[in-house]
Amino acid sequence: DTGVSQNPRHKITKRGQNVTFRCDPISEHNRLYWYRQTLGQGPEFLTYFQNEAQLEKSRLLSDRFSAERPKGSFSTLEIQRTEQGDSAMYLCASSQTSGRTDTQYFGPGTRLTVL
Amino acid sequence: DQQVKQNSPSLSVQEGRISILNCDYTNSMFDYFLWYKKYPAEGPTFLISISSIKDKNEDGRFTVFLNKSAKHLSLHIVPSQPGDSAVYFCAASYIGGNDYKLSFGAGTTVTVRA
Repeated sequence: DTGVSQNPRHKITKRGQNVTFRCDPISEHNRLYWYRQTLGQGPEFLTYFQNEAQLEKSRLLSDRFSAERPKGSFSTLEIQRTEQGDSAMYLCASSQTSGRTDTQYFGPGTRLTVL
Repeated sequence: DQQVKQNSPSLSVQEGRISILNCDYTNSMFDYFLWYKKYPAEGPTFLISISSIKDKNEDGRFTVFLNKSAKHLSLHIVPSQPGDSAVYFCAASYIGGNDYKLSFGAGTTVTVRA
């Protein structure tokens, strides 16, 4: 296993279109996270799953955003009716708690540009 | 509100010298702290972490120091190398409260001069 993978790496879309991103975590990890990063800022938490259960959603995650992890393996993040403000890098991470540590490993990200 | 702050947006250091990056946090419940390195157009890469039960953790050229009373941590890179030029993010979580999401600082851009 080579780490967290994300597809596509880049997505350009027109305002109002729907987009879907996929994340494949490290295989033995039970937690999967989505973050969003804009220029000059650190990543901001969007949502996370423990196995197939979505346990927390940020207030940043408007009702146009939905995430799934149907079998506790890969996850998808869908944005409906995209807006220019959705342009950002969308990052996926996975982790497995061990004692007092829970290190998240990130994928390469999907760069979304909304025209 | 920004719970993790990196007040220095940039740092320039000569190759071979020490780089010191600083990070402050406001949430006293945080008990696990991490440093990530990020190159342009790539995801963050994990560097080193520290649990709140320790005050120092070392891994090769990287050492992280934690001062809980001051709510401050720092990353030391010795010696600095050209490949260390990147953006460095500090992050924190509250594992003891089952709050695993990471809160990040805004990052510090490190430039290592030859």
